[in-house]
Amino acid sequence: DAGITQSPRYKITETGRQVTLMCHQTWSHSYMFWYRQDLGHGLRLIYYSAAADITDKGEVPDGYVVSRSKTENFPLTLESATRSQTSVYFCASRNRLNQPQHFGDGTRLSIL
Amino acid sequence: AQSVTQLDSHVSVSEGTPVLLRCNYSSSYSPSLFWYVQHPNKGLQLLLKYTSAATLVKGINGFEAEFKKSETSFHLTKPSAHMSDAAEYFCVVSERGKGNDMRFGAGTRLTVKP
Repeated sequence: DAGITQSPRYKITETGRQVTLMCHQTWSHSYMFWYRQDLGHGLRLIYYSAAADITDKGEVPDGYVVSRSKTENFPLTLESATRSQTSVYFCASRNRLNQPQHFGDGTRLSIL
Repeated sequence: AQSVTQLDSHVSVSEGTPVLLRCNYSSSYSPSLFWYVQHPNKGLQLLLKYTSAATLVKGINGFEAEFKKSETSFHLTKPSAHMSDAAEYFCVVSERGKGNDMRFGAGTRLTVKP
């Protein structure tokens, strides 16, 4: 099915562990984005990518790592999870600048 | 730099009555503007977009928004609310030519009473 999918949908882990959230899109969109959504903060951009092998920091990049070896995938890694990274994470993609982004259904991550 | 302000964090209406969700923006250039809706445990879904064509934009599910440059506003309206419209709504501004260009409002939670 065409679209953007995130996995897992739910994840519970412990502080200090490494965790990777996956994002896959089937449209071959150039741009991909990672956001976190927290009460009182709305949506905040973590990282984005303009094309394969091109990534850049957003508003809140600390503690996160991204890669984009293939156009369709944009994984987000928390190298050493902290409780403050408990959040709902959304991946998005779009074809070109000034066009709307298309969002996945999110990953709810809890860090104990 | 562009920014967006959603003037109401929460709006409550009765089913069948009009909906008005307010959004003001600031932008140095000609912006593109979007409204998204988010239902519980779901991602954001595009309702409508303005990209410098007609100032009155029609979206899905009976929603529409009017771009008013003089007022720097992009309010979302619907003539008659339905129970299924209860959700969180986000106004978004985007400036041309920048990769990291989208700015999200804080969101407005719409409650629809029977």
